[in-house]
Amino acid sequence: QTLVTQEPSFSVSPGGTVTLTCGLSSGSVSTSYYPSWFQQTPGQAPRTLIYNTNTHSSGVPDRFSGSILGNKAALTITGAQADDESNYYCVLYVGGGIWVFGGGTKLTVL
Amino acid sequence: QVQLQESGPGLVKPSDTLSLTCTVSGGHITGYYWSWIRQAPGKGLEWIGYVYYSGTTNYSPSLRSRVTISVDRPKNQFSLELKSVTAADAAVYYCARYDGDWLLFDYWGQGSLVTVSS
Repeated sequence: QTLVTQEPSFSVSPGGTVTLTCGLSSGSVSTSYYPSWFQQTPGQAPRTLIYNTNTHSSGVPDRFSGSILGNKAALTITGAQADDESNYYCVLYVGGGIWVFGGGTKLTVL
Repeated sequence: QVQLQESGPGLVKPSDTLSLTCTVSGGHITGYYWSWIRQAPGKGLEWIGYVYYSGTTNYSPSLRSRVTISVDRPKNQFSLELKSVTAADAAVYYCARYDGDWLLFDYWGQGSLVTVSS
């Protein structure tokens, strides 16, 4: 079974830049996996930030950007703000009509 | 503005069937993929499966033997059934729309908490 890997936790200073990654237990992530990124605060539904690797969802600030870095999908937050402190999830299309979420990254801004 | 709203029992007995419905308002079922995604307490998101507006389905391999997702176009609803539930199925269940043209999960319901207990 395909496993999607994310850093369990990360911290960034206010105003700083952080890159979260989304990888595969076996193999490399490419644009063909159509990675999406979601932000979720406790008690809330996920909010779509980035889809199809690097396209912003409506209303998402430009400080969030998506890319492929090496063999992983990446979400970069530039100029982190206090309200960026959230859980971040990626999802990959692994083929055959199947989507798999990563385990999520808890981002702390301090 | 498209809105999704989950509904169904918040408490299910072990070995029973969990049933949830997602009602779509402000838009039509036609043309999209409609997914169920769950999140166990303190855990990450898990994709359960989808139904296309035509009725075509696809499920997570880990749940395929127990899951059925169906669509009711006249009612603008789609539904989830999960058989033989255990405590491991306790979670917040989200419904979401997937736009296959833009490759985007664009609308989510607020989530429905399901507890499994006798």
